Amino acid sequence: AQTVTQSQPEMSVQEAETVTLSCTYDTSENNYYLFWYKQPPSRQMILVIRQEAYKQQNATENRFSVNFQKAAKSFSLKISDSQLGDTAMYFCAFMKTTSGTYKYIFGTGTRLKVLA
Amino acid sequence: KAGVTQTPRYLIKTRGQQVTLSCSPISGHRSVSWYQQTPGQGLQFLFEYFSETQRNKGNFPGRFSGRQFSNSRSEMNVSTLELGDSALYLCASRRNTGIKAEAFFGQGTRLTVV
Repeated sequence: AQTVTQSQPEMSVQEAETVTLSCTYDTSENNYYLFWYKQPPSRQMILVIRQEAYKQQNATENRFSVNFQKAAKSFSLKISDSQLGDTAMYFCAFMKTTSGTYKYIFGTGTRLKVLA
Repeated sequence: KAGVTQTPRYLIKTRGQQVTLSCSPISGHRSVSWYQQTPGQGLQFLFEYFSETQRNKGNFPGRFSGRQFSNSRSEMNVSTLELGDSALYLCASRRNTGIKAEAFFGQGTRLTVV
């Protein structure tokens, strides 16, 4: 069975600094996608960044980047120049597709607070 | 372009009752998935519908069911509610079932069972 583990329930960071959120996963699949989603108090899940497992290059989206270590099954999220609006729950998720069906498997989340 | 719309936003029900939640996907999206979010369990996959057919199902009891209509709108039903069913129910829509299709989430329905 696939599992996703986020070992940091809560984290805080000073505005403008950098923070890294950890995520490890377990799968026997070779072709899959990994995601980081942000859930602010509005409750809407927003895609932050995604990584295709067969791509060795780490994905980046502006201030957000990942460190994808496929052999170690690690997928951490780095947020640079943290902003107050980054305060949210962050979920790491794994997605695999089989015969046209798919589902996300989410970690339990990391609550990030950016301090002014 | 309108996003994923879930109604109602909040709901309070009594144990033993049944409830129906609605999800309208983004126009043109044909895949709708449902997730249950609780503080203890995080987000758990319930089921996925595509073109009115259930394509995938999570490990939930038969009290949880769903359906999808020809306009891709989906409903989720929970019968004989239990206190443990209190949760945020999220739906996500995708254009198709391809692995590259991004999922867009609604704001969820907060269900409280008393």
